[in-house]
Amino acid sequence: QKEVEQNSGPLSVPEGAIASLNCTYSDRGSQSFFWYRQYSGKSPELIMFIYSNGDKEDGRFTAQLNKASQYVSLLIRDSQPSDSATYLCAVNQAGTALIFGKGTTLSVSS
Amino acid sequence: GAVVSQHPSRVICKSGTSVKIECRSLDFQATTMFWYRQFPKQSLMLMATSNEGSKATYEQGVEKDKFLINHASLTLSTLTVTSAHPEDSSFYICSAREGGGGQPQHFGDGTRLSIL
Repeated sequence: QKEVEQNSGPLSVPEGAIASLNCTYSDRGSQSFFWYRQYSGKSPELIMFIYSNGDKEDGRFTAQLNKASQYVSLLIRDSQPSDSATYLCAVNQAGTALIFGKGTTLSVSS
Repeated sequence: GAVVSQHPSRVICKSGTSVKIECRSLDFQATTMFWYRQFPKQSLMLMATSNEGSKATYEQGVEKDKFLINHASLTLSTLTVTSAHPEDSSFYICSAREGGGGQPQHFGDGTRLSIL
């Protein structure tokens, strides 16, 4: 069974710190990797996606992918209270639906 | 870009009622649309995948006769919950994907369904 694992948290960081969110996946054939943010009572919002090994940066967000270790992470620099949400990791193979992890709850304190 | 509109945002109705939820991709053509359900403090559960002009593919345990999906065009998919009961109360979210499987899925705002 294809699985995506995340630590449920909560992960608590002070404002201005770096938040590090981690995700592992079981299917070695996974090709695309996504991070979504979901505020309570709202639908998921795409933050970043990454296809190749290495780092991809977009503003305060950096996604890191290591296919050999089946590991993908999201770093949030200069964390803000507005970043407090649940972060969902999702993976898929071409042509298939996303498989979501259960999410990590991030709490940024001011 | 990549806006997905979902309506209605909230439905409250009596047991036995059928409820129709619409999902539209506003600025792109959605080759594939997906329907998810999410219970409080739970992860997203994929219900079905639909491709334009084809029958939907339902996940194991999802009753296709209860959750009717129609994907009549590249910009519109509908989910009808037939004869809804209180246990069908949940947060239903659609998503749409443009092109191949490597493209991101973009989510609608979700529909909160409450069956009395």
